[in-house]
Amino acid sequence: GAVVSQHPSWVICKSGTSVKIECRSLDFQATTMFWYRQFPKQSLMLMATSNEGSKATYEQGVEKDKFLINHASLTLSTLTVTSAHPEDSSFYICSARDLVRRGGGHEQFFGPGTRLTVL
Amino acid sequence: DAKTTQPPSMDCAEGRAANLPCNHSTISGNEYVYWYRQIHSQGPQYIIHGLKNNETNEMASLIITEDRKSSTLILPHATLRDTAVYYCIVSFTGANSKLTFGKGITLSVRP
Repeated sequence: GAVVSQHPSWVICKSGTSVKIECRSLDFQATTMFWYRQFPKQSLMLMATSNEGSKATYEQGVEKDKFLINHASLTLSTLTVTSAHPEDSSFYICSARDLVRRGGGHEQFFGPGTRLTVL
Repeated sequence: DAKTTQPPSMDCAEGRAANLPCNHSTISGNEYVYWYRQIHSQGPQYIIHGLKNNETNEMASLIITEDRKSSTLILPHATLRDTAVYYCIVSFTGANSKLTFGKGITLSVRP
């Protein structure tokens, strides 16, 4: 399968600061990328869907001004958690899909996740 | 997207087949069945998907009932590394489709 990377793999920050997480598709062009959040012992919750060159679509209840998503190229999407607070501490996972080449959009390839801890 | 129901957990012995059930009684005609798994503290891994026919790849087999209301993921020879949470997801495919993860089933493979 295709490879999706995330950076950093973990980050600790102080309350009130902003944190940027990068998601890259390494060997394919991702027409669509997704951002998920996972709290301990819970399932993945979709936060937003982003298509290259257009604004992200956020799920209900997700603050778009707090979680800024940029999908500026076909291989890179970024999630910025602005003014982070302890309740934003979570495991953030991105995924990518290539509708054109890979199985007609059946497979989503997930990154390894980023563990965010806000003190 | 249709919802799925999975038992919370199951276990099997190493080397034996693991059969993971999933109910999706409200699946619509053009929704696919996907299986992903998540090993602790990692991102989910795609396993297999299918529409109507049974499917097999190097990781697993997917058996879908004729009425498509349920399916079974089969790991033919489970190993300790197969211990993970397995998610059965029903979804359309295409540009606007997205995966909605439920609670999944925790498979524990014992030595």
